[in-house]
Amino acid sequence: DAKTTQPTSMDCAEGRAANLPCNHSTISGNEYVYWYRQIHSQGPQYIIHGLKNNETNEMASLIITEDRKSSTLILPHATLRDTAVYYCIVRGYAYNQGGKLIFGQGTELSVKP
Amino acid sequence: GAGVSQSPSNKVTEKGKDVELRCDPISGHTALYWYRQSLGQGLEFLIYFQGNSAPDKSGLPSDRFSAERTGGSVSTLTIQRTQQEDSAVYLCASSLNSISPPGRKLYEQYFGPGTRLTVT
Repeated sequence: DAKTTQPTSMDCAEGRAANLPCNHSTISGNEYVYWYRQIHSQGPQYIIHGLKNNETNEMASLIITEDRKSSTLILPHATLRDTAVYYCIVRGYAYNQGGKLIFGQGTELSVKP
Repeated sequence: GAGVSQSPSNKVTEKGKDVELRCDPISGHTALYWYRQSLGQGLEFLIYFQGNSAPDKSGLPSDRFSAERTGGSVSTLTIQRTQQEDSAVYLCASSLNSISPPGRKLYEQYFGPGTRLTVT
């Protein structure tokens, strides 16, 4: 799976949009961009994923650049409960590997009042 | 519905003892994964089950680690002769079938709360 690069940490004011960037310059054509987050002392939580089109769900929006070498996760109105480590993962299917997740170090997002 | 559950939530054991960690996946999820997270380390993949078989065991750190899954549901991760470096949070995740006819499709994984293992 392609390697991703994320900032180590970010701050965001409560109620403002949080924009979390991710670089994945070696992504291949059949690999998806997935985002998970891990709130302290909990298991990771799936947020959103995409291939090449922008995606939106009830949690967040995912913007993928046209060349697919980078993406941005957007939390439109961050709350204190969004404080977590956010992981950007490039994930492809490999026979007999079932799409295991390869986690990097992630971005530690701190939402401040 | 019910999510992924793991037991015990915490386990303290003496060096050299064997431990068993249990994972109950979401009903109907045929794919099951084990990961671990050590202090100061990221999340690392251990093993993947599709049904009862384990096509990918590449992440198991040593032959002291083994896992099985019976009935396509519950999985047990066993660590023999535990060492202090085995101390970590062990996480289980499940997903729908990782192979979706007619092509291949990836499904999101749902994680349990983890088992915190401390080896003294």
